This record gives sequence, structure tokens and C-alpha cells, in this order.
Amino acid sequence: QVQLQESGPGLVKPSGTLSLTCTVSSGSISTTNWWSWVRQPPGKGLEWIGEVYYTGSTKYNPFFKNRVTISVDKSRSQFSLNLTSMTAADTAVYYCARTSGFFGFVWGSYRPTPFFDYWGQGSLVTVSS
Amino acid sequence: EIVLTQSPDTLSLSPGERATLSCRASQSVTSNYLAWYQHKPGLAPRLLIHGASNKATGIPDRFTGSGSGTDFSLTITRLEPEDFAVYSCQQYGSSPITFGQGTRLDI
Repeated sequence: QVQLQESGPGLVKPSGTLSLTCTVSSGSISTTNWWSWVRQPPGKGLEWIGEVYYTGSTKYNPFFKNRVTISVDKSRSQFSLNLTSMTAADTAVYYCARTSGFFGFVWGSYRPTPFFDYWGQGSLVTVSS
Repeated sequence: EIVLTQSPDTLSLSPGERATLSCRASQSVTSNYLAWYQHKPGLAPRLLIHGASNKATGIPDRFTGSGSGTDFSLTITRLEPEDFAVYSCQQYGSSPITFGQGTRLDI
């Protein structure tokens, strides 16, 4: 079964850039699934950041749009998150997740419906000097 | 964006009892594209329900999702000790994807 594992620094300085990588194992990243980043600030609900397809196509949550880049490296079965201009409000557990393989008409196109069937365990990122 | 409000914030029950968790959307969820997840500390979130009422692979029969439009619920009959966790709903019918704030199910 597919496994996802986040990696990256646990501490980022204010105004700095967060770079996280998600490694996909026991399965291919070059499938019909999309691959997402989701975060959970302390004491709050989950927040979807954005998603990437193995071709490099992306879709972002407008809340993050000016600060976020999600990319994919098929050769390494990895996808990555870059989030710039970090503040204390970005302190959170960051998860990578796989969008399901169930197709449906959603967001104006026929595509895998974006609920998440596999998740990583999460990576705590603290923004502090 | 669609705001999801879960209630109650915390539900205290005992093993063997029935739990009903609510998720209300600020506007109708397209195609009832609503999912439920279970969270435990240090573990990957677990998909329970998608499409409001479809159980994910391997999910026990005691978990049932229902509802449509703006009102959805997750029912857990005969609570087992391993069911005490946090539960979140997610809508994916409209972009951006949004989640509820979570309901904590306590013993």
C-alpha cells in the first residue's frame, strides 16, 4: 500500500521560506492521482494548501497563492512544498496526502475527486527566531 | 469559500454507546462531495467516508455517513476503545477544499 513521508526542517525563521518534501513509496507518483499539501495550525482545523499532478500542473488555495509553490520530481517519486514569507501564523503540522482515484465531475472538469485516501504522518514546523 | 462547522466540539461518551457527529456547510456542497477523517496523535489521518455516505476500504460497519446539501453527519454505533479520536469533515465539491474544525470524541 502507498506510503507517504514528509521531510524537512522543523524550525523556520520569520520571513524565511519553508521547504518540505514528500516521498511516495510502494506506489508510483505518475498515476491519475493528484498530490496535496494540507496543514493544521495548533488548536485549529485542517487547511488545504494546494495540489500537484505528475505532469507538473498545480492548483493552489487562493489564501496561499502568492506565497506557495508545489512541484513534483517523478524520478525521485517526490513532491515538494515551498512557502515563502513565513510568520508565526504558519506554525503548523504539515501533511502530504494523495487524492483519491475516484473520478467525478468536480471543479469544472472530469478528474479524480479531491478527497484524500493516503496521508503522511505529518511534520511539525515551528516559525521562530 | 465554503465554511464547515462541526458540532459538538467535544463529545464525551463510553464504549458501547452511539456517537453522532454533525457537519454543517455554509452553502450547499456540490454533489454531496463530503468526506470524514479520523485523527490520532502522531498517526496519519484515516479516511472513513467519502461522497457523504460511501465507506472507505476497510472501515468497519459501525461507521455510517449520511446527509446532503448543507447538513451531514457521521454516526458511530457501539463505540470501541480505538474510536476515541478527533473527527474532521471535508468538502471537496468547491474550490478551495475546506475542512471543519474537528470534533473530539472523548471517553
